[in-house]
Amino acid sequence: DAGVTQSPTHLIKTRGQHVTLRCSPISGHKSVSWYQQVLGQGPQFIFQYYEKEERGRGNFPDRFSARQFPNYSSELNVNALLLGDSALYLCASSQYGQGETQYFGPGTRLLVL
Amino acid sequence: AQKVTQAQTEISVVEKEDVTLDCVYETRDTTYYLFWYKQPPSGELVFLIRRNSFDEQNEISGRYSWNFQKSTSSFNFTITASQVVDSAVYFCALSEALENGNKLVFGAGTILRVKS
Repeated sequence: DAGVTQSPTHLIKTRGQHVTLRCSPISGHKSVSWYQQVLGQGPQFIFQYYEKEERGRGNFPDRFSARQFPNYSSELNVNALLLGDSALYLCASSQYGQGETQYFGPGTRLLVL
Repeated sequence: AQKVTQAQTEISVVEKEDVTLDCVYETRDTTYYLFWYKQPPSGELVFLIRRNSFDEQNEISGRYSWNFQKSTSSFNFTITASQVVDSAVYFCALSEALENGNKLVFGAGTILRVKS
């Protein structure tokens, strides 16, 4: 079975632009979570979605938004990009529930110039 | 709030040496889950192990073993007879319940360099 897939793999944007990152979960998984990993740090939680509803949000500004589609894939949108948004964006899929293992995709490396 | 501390920023060993990566966590929950992930240079986080708070048995999987001690809030990871392919960043994580969901809280990671 295919693992978590993300696209694109790399992206270069300039300040003020908008970006959309995409994620397809493992077949059978209905929950998708997004994390931001800045170089040299551990991943930081951005969002969790389950059955197309937001189930959790981390400490990120409103410039960050996401949605989940009926096929459980998800998009992460970031508006008005800042230099500090440069990071590896990781998507994870899981069964829904406390303590369920989250399986991560390869990530999207975003560079904001 | 939950917190995970990985005090070792970087460890360098020579191949075939044993190495232990430390993880200390903080939580007020009585039921919680701990994880270890490996992040090779490619960037993808690879799941290694999941342990719930009610299961304190140590676990061994090939060259990998984990020591979970609730009394000291630690969940340490040992690699026996390390190999160059073990070189990666290793993250310890704690599952935190949200109002309607859950998230992983990660430590800062430990960079492991295994030299031949």
